[in-house]
Amino acid sequence: DAGVIQSPRHEVTEMGQEVTLRCKPISGHDYLFWYRQTMMRGLELLIYFNNNVPIDDSGMPEDRFSAKMPNASFSTLKIQPSEPRDSAVYFCASSFPGAYEQYFGPGTRLTVT
Amino acid sequence: GENVEQHPSTLSVQEGDSAVIKCTYSDSASNYFPWYKQELGKGPQLIIDIRSNVGEKKDQRIAVTLNKTAKHFSLHITETQPEDSAVYFCAASYAGNMLTFGGGTRLMVKP
Repeated sequence: DAGVIQSPRHEVTEMGQEVTLRCKPISGHDYLFWYRQTMMRGLELLIYFNNNVPIDDSGMPEDRFSAKMPNASFSTLKIQPSEPRDSAVYFCASSFPGAYEQYFGPGTRLTVT
Repeated sequence: GENVEQHPSTLSVQEGDSAVIKCTYSDSASNYFPWYKQELGKGPQLIIDIRSNVGEKKDQRIAVTLNKTAKHFSLHITETQPEDSAVYFCAASYAGNMLTFGGGTRLMVKP
Protein backbone atom coordinates (compact mmCIF):
# COMPACT_ATOMS: atom_id res chain seq x y z
CA ASP A 1 0.00 0.00 0.00
CA ALA A 2 1.22 3.53 -0.77
CA GLY A 3 0.26 4.84 2.64
CA VAL A 4 -1.52 8.13 3.29
CA ILE A 5 -0.88 10.57 0.46
CA GLN A 6 -0.88 14.33 0.97
CA SER A 7 -0.50 17.15 -1.52
CA PRO A 8 1.09 19.53 -1.94
CA ARG A 9 4.13 18.76 0.22
CA HIS A 10 5.01 22.43 0.46
CA GLU A 11 2.81 25.48 0.02
CA VAL A 12 3.86 29.10 0.20
CA THR A 13 1.14 31.70 -0.09
CA GLU A 14 0.44 35.29 0.78
CA MET A 15 -1.81 36.41 3.58
CA GLY A 16 -5.42 36.60 2.48
CA GLN A 17 -5.17 33.86 -0.15
CA GLU A 18 -7.17 30.65 -0.09
CA VAL A 19 -5.24 27.46 0.61
CA THR A 20 -6.45 23.92 -0.05
CA LEU A 21 -4.65 20.89 1.33
CA ARG A 22 -5.45 17.41 0.05
CA CYS A 23 -5.36 13.93 1.51
CA LYS A 24 -5.89 10.41 0.22
CA PRO A 25 -6.26 7.90 3.07
CA ILE A 26 -5.09 4.32 2.96
CA SER A 27 -7.54 2.22 0.99
CA GLY A 28 -10.08 0.53 3.25
CA HIS A 29 -9.58 2.91 6.15
CA ASP A 30 -12.81 4.51 7.33
CA TYR A 31 -11.45 7.09 9.79
CA LEU A 32 -9.62 10.18 8.59
CA PHE A 33 -7.94 12.75 10.84
CA TRP A 34 -6.46 16.20 10.20
CA TYR A 35 -3.71 17.42 12.55
CA ARG A 36 -1.64 20.60 12.75
CA GLN A 37 1.91 20.70 14.12
CA THR A 38 3.62 23.87 15.34
CA MET A 39 6.54 24.49 17.65
CA MET A 40 4.35 26.37 20.09
CA ARG A 41 1.34 24.04 20.26
CA GLY A 42 2.76 20.69 19.18
CA LEU A 43 0.47 18.20 17.44
CA GLU A 44 -3.19 19.13 17.59
CA LEU A 45 -6.22 17.29 16.24
CA LEU A 46 -8.32 19.62 14.09
CA ILE A 47 -11.14 17.39 12.86
CA TYR A 48 -11.89 13.77 12.14
CA PHE A 49 -14.28 11.88 9.87
CA ASN A 50 -15.83 8.44 10.02
CA ASN A 51 -17.26 7.02 6.82
CA ASN A 52 -16.94 10.48 5.22
CA VAL A 53 -19.00 12.15 7.97
CA PRO A 54 -17.38 14.79 10.24
CA ILE A 55 -17.54 13.49 13.81
CA ASP A 56 -15.69 16.12 15.84
CA ASP A 57 -14.45 19.49 14.62
CA SER A 58 -13.85 21.04 18.02
CA GLY A 59 -10.17 21.47 17.20
CA MET A 60 -10.76 23.64 14.15
CA PRO A 61 -9.33 27.00 15.22
CA GLU A 62 -11.88 29.29 13.60
CA ASP A 63 -14.36 29.71 10.79
CA ARG A 64 -11.59 30.36 8.31
CA PHE A 65 -10.89 26.61 8.44
CA SER A 66 -13.14 24.06 6.77
CA ALA A 67 -12.76 20.38 5.90
CA LYS A 68 -14.66 18.06 3.60
CA MET A 69 -14.61 14.41 2.69
CA PRO A 70 -16.68 13.94 -0.47
CA ASN A 71 -15.78 10.25 -0.76
CA ALA A 72 -13.83 7.49 1.00
CA SER A 73 -10.62 8.24 -0.87
CA PHE A 74 -10.32 12.02 -0.68
CA SER A 75 -10.43 14.82 1.85
CA THR A 76 -9.59 18.52 1.77
CA LEU A 77 -8.70 21.08 4.41
CA LYS A 78 -9.29 24.64 3.29
CA ILE A 79 -8.15 27.88 4.88
CA GLN A 80 -9.78 31.07 3.64
CA PRO A 81 -8.44 33.67 4.09
CA SER A 82 -5.03 32.48 5.23
CA GLU A 83 -3.02 34.32 7.88
CA PRO A 84 0.67 34.12 8.88
CA ARG A 85 -0.26 32.37 12.13
CA ASP A 86 -1.63 29.47 10.07
CA SER A 87 1.93 28.58 9.09
CA ALA A 88 2.48 25.01 10.27
CA VAL A 89 2.80 21.43 9.08
CA TYR A 90 -0.58 19.86 8.45
CA PHE A 91 -0.88 16.08 8.69
CA CYS A 92 -3.56 13.73 7.57
CA ALA A 93 -3.92 10.30 9.21
CA SER A 94 -6.25 7.36 8.70
CA SER A 95 -7.21 4.20 10.53
CA PHE A 96 -8.77 0.86 9.73
CA PRO A 97 -12.33 -0.02 10.80
CA GLY A 98 -12.33 -1.22 14.40
CA ALA A 99 -8.63 -0.51 14.86
CA TYR A 100 -7.08 2.13 17.09
CA GLU A 101 -3.83 2.64 15.18
CA GLN A 102 -3.56 5.84 13.15
CA TYR A 103 -1.20 6.07 10.20
CA PHE A 104 0.12 9.49 9.24
CA GLY A 105 0.91 10.99 5.89
CA PRO A 106 4.11 12.93 5.15
CA GLY A 107 2.47 16.28 5.84
CA THR A 108 2.09 19.60 4.03
CA ARG A 109 4.34 22.41 5.18
CA LEU A 110 2.34 25.64 4.84
CA THR A 111 4.02 29.03 4.95
CA VAL A 112 1.83 32.13 4.86
CA THR A 113 3.75 35.36 4.29
CA GLY B 1 -10.36 17.14 28.19
CA GLU B 2 -7.27 14.97 28.20
CA ASN B 3 -3.87 16.45 29.03
CA VAL B 4 -0.62 14.59 28.34
CA GLU B 5 2.71 15.66 29.81
CA GLN B 6 5.96 14.22 28.42
CA HIS B 7 9.46 14.26 29.88
CA PRO B 8 12.24 14.90 29.18
CA SER B 9 12.01 17.29 26.24
CA THR B 10 15.52 16.33 25.13
CA LEU B 11 17.56 13.23 25.85
CA SER B 12 21.11 12.48 24.82
CA VAL B 13 22.57 8.98 25.23
CA GLN B 14 25.60 7.07 24.06
CA GLU B 15 25.10 4.38 21.46
CA GLY B 16 24.31 1.12 23.20
CA ASP B 17 22.81 2.76 26.27
CA SER B 18 19.12 2.64 27.18
CA ALA B 19 16.69 5.53 26.84
CA VAL B 20 13.52 6.09 28.84
CA ILE B 21 10.78 8.61 28.06
CA LYS B 22 7.90 9.16 30.46
CA CYS B 23 4.36 10.47 30.01
CA THR B 24 1.49 11.20 32.34
CA TYR B 25 -2.16 11.61 31.41
CA SER B 26 -5.11 13.15 33.19
CA ASP B 27 -8.25 11.38 31.96
CA SER B 28 -8.82 8.05 33.69
CA ALA B 29 -11.14 7.05 30.81
CA SER B 30 -8.21 6.92 28.36
CA ASN B 31 -7.52 3.35 27.31
CA TYR B 32 -5.14 3.56 24.36
CA PHE B 33 -1.55 4.82 24.51
CA PRO B 34 0.51 4.89 21.31
CA TRP B 35 4.08 6.04 20.78
CA TYR B 36 5.19 7.71 17.57
CA LYS B 37 8.64 8.38 16.13
CA GLN B 38 9.07 11.41 13.89
CA GLU B 39 12.14 11.90 11.76
CA LEU B 40 13.01 15.25 10.22
CA GLY B 41 10.66 16.18 7.41
CA LYS B 42 8.45 13.14 7.86
CA GLY B 43 5.13 12.30 9.45
CA PRO B 44 4.86 10.56 12.82
CA GLN B 45 5.34 6.80 12.56
CA LEU B 46 3.60 4.46 15.01
CA ILE B 47 6.26 2.32 16.71
CA ILE B 48 4.39 0.66 19.56
CA ASP B 49 1.15 1.01 21.48
CA ILE B 50 -0.49 -0.36 24.58
CA ARG B 51 -4.05 -0.68 25.77
CA SER B 52 -5.23 -0.25 29.32
CA ASN B 53 -5.84 -3.96 29.87
CA VAL B 54 -2.10 -4.64 29.51
CA GLY B 55 0.71 -3.52 31.81
CA GLU B 56 3.66 -4.03 29.50
CA LYS B 57 4.36 -4.71 25.85
CA LYS B 58 7.65 -5.41 24.12
CA ASP B 59 8.78 -5.41 20.50
CA GLN B 60 12.46 -6.22 20.04
CA ARG B 61 14.43 -3.28 21.52
CA ILE B 62 11.33 -1.24 22.36
CA ALA B 63 9.03 -1.70 25.32
CA VAL B 64 6.20 0.28 26.83
CA THR B 65 4.88 0.08 30.38
CA LEU B 66 1.59 1.41 31.72
CA ASN B 67 0.59 2.22 35.29
CA LYS B 68 -3.15 2.94 35.25
CA THR B 69 -3.31 3.77 38.93
CA ALA B 70 -0.68 6.46 38.64
CA LYS B 71 -1.79 7.40 35.12
CA HIS B 72 1.62 7.24 33.58
CA PHE B 73 3.29 5.24 30.84
CA SER B 74 6.84 4.99 29.61
CA LEU B 75 8.82 4.08 26.50
CA HIS B 76 12.02 2.10 26.93
CA ILE B 77 14.56 1.71 24.14
CA THR B 78 17.46 -0.64 24.81
CA GLU B 79 20.78 -0.90 22.95
CA THR B 80 20.20 2.45 21.27
CA GLN B 81 21.55 3.02 17.77
CA PRO B 82 22.20 6.26 15.85
CA GLU B 83 19.13 5.56 13.71
CA ASP B 84 16.99 5.81 16.86
CA SER B 85 17.72 9.55 16.87
CA ALA B 86 14.39 11.32 16.27
CA VAL B 87 11.56 13.06 18.09
CA TYR B 88 9.30 10.70 20.02
CA PHE B 89 5.69 11.50 20.93
CA CYS B 90 3.41 9.77 23.37
CA ALA B 91 -0.36 10.09 23.09
CA ALA B 92 -3.51 9.05 24.90
CA SER B 93 -7.10 8.56 23.85
CA TYR B 94 -10.32 6.76 24.53
CA ALA B 95 -10.96 4.14 21.84
CA GLY B 96 -8.21 5.43 19.59
CA ASN B 97 -10.01 8.34 17.99
CA MET B 98 -9.17 11.71 19.53
CA LEU B 99 -5.46 11.37 20.24
CA THR B 100 -3.95 13.93 22.63
CA PHE B 101 -0.20 14.16 22.16
CA GLY B 102 2.57 14.95 24.58
CA GLY B 103 5.03 17.71 23.76
CA GLY B 104 7.66 15.38 22.31
CA THR B 105 11.16 14.22 23.27
CA ARG B 106 14.15 14.81 21.04
CA LEU B 107 16.38 11.76 21.39
CA MET B 108 19.97 12.03 20.27
CA VAL B 109 22.10 8.88 20.16
CA LYS B 110 25.79 9.67 20.01
CA PRO B 111 27.98 7.16 18.18
